[in-house]
Amino acid sequence: EAEVAQSPRYKITEKSQAVAFWCDPISGHATLYWYRQILGQGPELLVQFQDESVVDDSQLPKDRFSAERLKGVDSTLKIQPAELGDSAMYLCASGVFAGAAYNEQFFGPGTRLTVL
Amino acid sequence: TQLLEQSPQFLSIQEGENLTVYCNSSSVFSSLQWYRQEPGEGPVLLVTVVTGGEVKKLKRLTFQFGDARKDSSLHITAAQPGDTGLYLCAGAQGAQKLVFGQGTRLTINP
Repeated sequence: EAEVAQSPRYKITEKSQAVAFWCDPISGHATLYWYRQILGQGPELLVQFQDESVVDDSQLPKDRFSAERLKGVDSTLKIQPAELGDSAMYLCASGVFAGAAYNEQFFGPGTRLTVL
Repeated sequence: TQLLEQSPQFLSIQEGENLTVYCNSSSVFSSLQWYRQEPGEGPVLLVTVVTGGEVKKLKRLTFQFGDARKDSSLHITAAQPGDTGLYLCAGAQGAQKLVFGQGTRLTINP
C-alpha cells in the first residue's frame, strides 16, 4: 500500500540551529501539504504545493521557515534558526486534486521536533 | 478562533460502552473527514462525508454529516481498547484546503 514517507522521525536540536525535514508523497499525488501539530491540538497548515508551485503559504513564518518542492515530487521544509516554540510534530500529507468536490489527504508518520 | 469545535476534548470510558463525539462549526463545508491518530504517528483517514444528512458506517463506527453540512458526529458502539486514540475532524474549504478541529482524545479502558 502506497504511503507518504517522512524523515527523520525524530529530531532534537538546540535553539538557533538549522533543521530540515523531508517528505516523499504518494506517487502521482500532485498536491503536498506541510502541517505543524502542537501536542494536544489539531494540525495547522503551514504550506500547500500544487506540483512545484506554492498554492498557500499564508501561515508559514517566512522569516525562519522555508519550503520547496523543486521537481514537483518530494519536498523539504527548513527552519533556520530554530526557536523553542517550534517544538512540535511536523506532518506531511499528499492528495489528488482533479476538480473533485472533496479533499482527501493522506498523512505521513511525521517528524517530532524538540528544540532545547 | 477555532473554526471547528470538537467535543468532548477528552473521553475515558470502559470497554463495551457506547460513545459519541461531536464536531461543530458555524461554517458550511463541502465535505468533512474524520481521522484517527495514535501517539507519535500521523493521522489516518477513516471516512469522508460529502452530502448533507449522509451516514456512513465502518464496522462499529457510524459517521453522520449534518443536514446543513456544518456539523458531524462519530458514534462508536461497544468500544474496544483498540479504539483508543485522538479523533480529528477536518472540514474542506474549497476543494483543496482542510481545517482541523482540536481533536477528541479517547481512552478505552479494558
